[in-house]
Amino acid sequence: AQSVTQLGSHVSVSEGALVLLRCNYSSSVPPYLFWYVQYPNQGLQLLLKYTTGATLVKGINGFEAEFKKSETSFHLTKPSAHMSDAAEYFCAVRGFGNEKLTFGTGTRLTIIP
Amino acid sequence: SAVISQKPSRDICQRGTSLTIQCQVDSQVTMMFWYRQQPGQSLTLIATANQGSEATYESGFVIDKFPISRPNLTFSTLTVSNMSPEDSSIYLCSARTGGGTEAFFGQGTRLTVV
Repeated sequence: AQSVTQLGSHVSVSEGALVLLRCNYSSSVPPYLFWYVQYPNQGLQLLLKYTTGATLVKGINGFEAEFKKSETSFHLTKPSAHMSDAAEYFCAVRGFGNEKLTFGTGTRLTIIP
Repeated sequence: SAVISQKPSRDICQRGTSLTIQCQVDSQVTMMFWYRQQPGQSLTLIATANQGSEATYESGFVIDKFPISRPNLTFSTLTVSNMSPEDSSIYLCSARTGGGTEAFFGQGTRLTVV
């Protein structure tokens, strides 16, 4: 079984401030973890992924995430928010050997000028 | 990576009618999926589209309501049948290559049923 919990359905940060979006997962097998971004009226775009190896992964647009097995977490961060970061962010998990991707409920990020 | 094109991008349909959504991938992929995203909510997997055989549906979704075809490794269709306003959602096609770990998504089809 696998599941994802995203804490905070809405997060607001000031332009230039740190962005932190939280994601905790549950998986009975080693997980593949993903962050996707959805801009208004668009599909999902992959931001970054963790499969194996280095636990700190870097993605597009300056985002990064750290896989912490002991905390079953995969939080997404960006040092300095930009107005263009305003979007919906989804964390997702797929257990090794499992074909299905399970999504969290999403976090809407608002950037305050 | 894979580029996924969905048609139509949006539609407004009368209740009781059916709509077929097309999904075209620019390369051969192993897995294709269909998701529903209801307004303001996350993505829910409808089914896995299997090439040359019947789709595998998730709990709560049935073939009579959401028939799916996948005639080859690059194309799939989802039909939303006998539509009601509750079917108003975004429907997204997704694909994953055989050796890949991540799934790619189309731009989605925004369906409004009136």
